[in-house]
Amino acid sequence: EAGVAQSPRYKIIEKRQSVAFWCNPISGHATLYWYQQILGQGPKLLIQFQNNGVVDDSQLPKDRFSAERLKGVDSTLKIQPAKLEDSAVYLCASSLGWAGPAYNEQFFGPGTRLTVL
Amino acid sequence: QQQVKQSPQSLIVQKGGISIINCAYENTAFDYFPWYQQFPGKGPALLIAIRPDVSEKKEGRFTISFNKSAKQFSLHIMDSQPGDSATYFCAARGNQAGTALIFGKGTTLSVSS
Repeated sequence: EAGVAQSPRYKIIEKRQSVAFWCNPISGHATLYWYQQILGQGPKLLIQFQNNGVVDDSQLPKDRFSAERLKGVDSTLKIQPAKLEDSAVYLCASSLGWAGPAYNEQFFGPGTRLTVL
Repeated sequence: QQQVKQSPQSLIVQKGGISIINCAYENTAFDYFPWYQQFPGKGPALLIAIRPDVSEKKEGRFTISFNKSAKQFSLHIMDSQPGDSATYFCAARGNQAGTALIFGKGTTLSVSS
């Protein structure tokens, strides 16, 4: 079974530039997550999709971050304009779904390491 | 109340020894507690998980101990091996639709041979 795919793996940009990350979840997984992992910290959820609808975006800095999941499959996360503090690894994860006590396992992609100079 | 506090930040263990990582939480609505293992350049991978209706869960060399009254849980790695050297994250989640995993800050484990 193919895992969660992310691209690019690395990105270096100047502050105030824009950047976009792409995620292809495991086939058949209805739930998709974007996490931000700052060096030395655990992943922090930015946004969660159920199919192509947003379930939770309470920690997404909406003035500069946006995300979409077209047709309930692939997803893109965009930052515009980037700030120095956005330097982090951006992880995408997917799960079969989210249904009460099912506790479907989240499978993570390898992440995109963003450096903002 | 949404935090998961993890300790120690780093850990060095001799090959064959026991590695112990601890986590504490405040939110009594949490009822799913996974541990993730992350190697450099890779995403986290689920290692083992527990629900609060049991006090211990064992899978191979990995054991979660759970103390509901103290709101603490820990990961024990028996017979630690150099291949176990990685960063370990505890996490917690509530049983409500749309709730996300809350991760601890991670523990970097080094197993020396």
